[in-house]
Amino acid sequence: DAKTTQPNSMESNEEEPVHLPCNHSTISGTDYIHWYRQLPSQGPEYVIHGLTSNVNNRMASLAIAEDRKSSTLILHRATLRDAAVYYCILRDGARGNKLVFGAGTILRVKS
Amino acid sequence: GAVVSQHPSWVICKSGTSVKIECRSLDFQATTMFWYRQFPKQSLMLMATSNEGSKATYEQGVEKDKFLINHASLTLSTLTVTSAHPEDSSFYICSAINGRKGSNQPQHFGDGTRLSIL
Repeated sequence: DAKTTQPNSMESNEEEPVHLPCNHSTISGTDYIHWYRQLPSQGPEYVIHGLTSNVNNRMASLAIAEDRKSSTLILHRATLRDAAVYYCILRDGARGNKLVFGAGTILRVKS
Repeated sequence: GAVVSQHPSWVICKSGTSVKIECRSLDFQATTMFWYRQFPKQSLMLMATSNEGSKATYEQGVEKDKFLINHASLTLSTLTVTSAHPEDSSFYICSAINGRKGSNQPQHFGDGTRLSIL
């Protein structure tokens, strides 16, 4: 499985945008970029995913670099409820639906 | 939509007991379900993948006789931890996919089961 690299932790102020980076320099052509987040003592929650084009949904935006070797999850206005561990995961569309979780980024939101 | 319910939320039992955890997809048909475990301060580790009506595929290092998985219907998968010991204490999480909606569907997760073996 292709690996991703994320910062261990990030901090944001409430009501401000947050940009969470993810590097995936060994991404293959059939790898989708998935983002999940996990709040304390809960199961993960799907956030967004994409292949080549930028994606938007009600939770976040996903900006994918042109060479696909990196991506950025954008939370447009962070709230205290966005404090969580954010996981960037590559999933090979040609090899099934497994997710391999890395360490993720711990996002702290200050009021 | 896409709600996954996991039961029980937490369980405490004596060493040597077998514990069954249920994972249900409430509003979709789960063609594939996954079981993970997570130790404190660590990330999720995939234990096994189960497809409805067929045997589960276990990840390397996971004992299939210790962690019995049954995916008998399109809305229910169960994980049984047999003869549980204190080292099996962990946070167990299931997820489900509606594969009939096409490839690369997101996984929908349950809220996890915290298992403590005394």
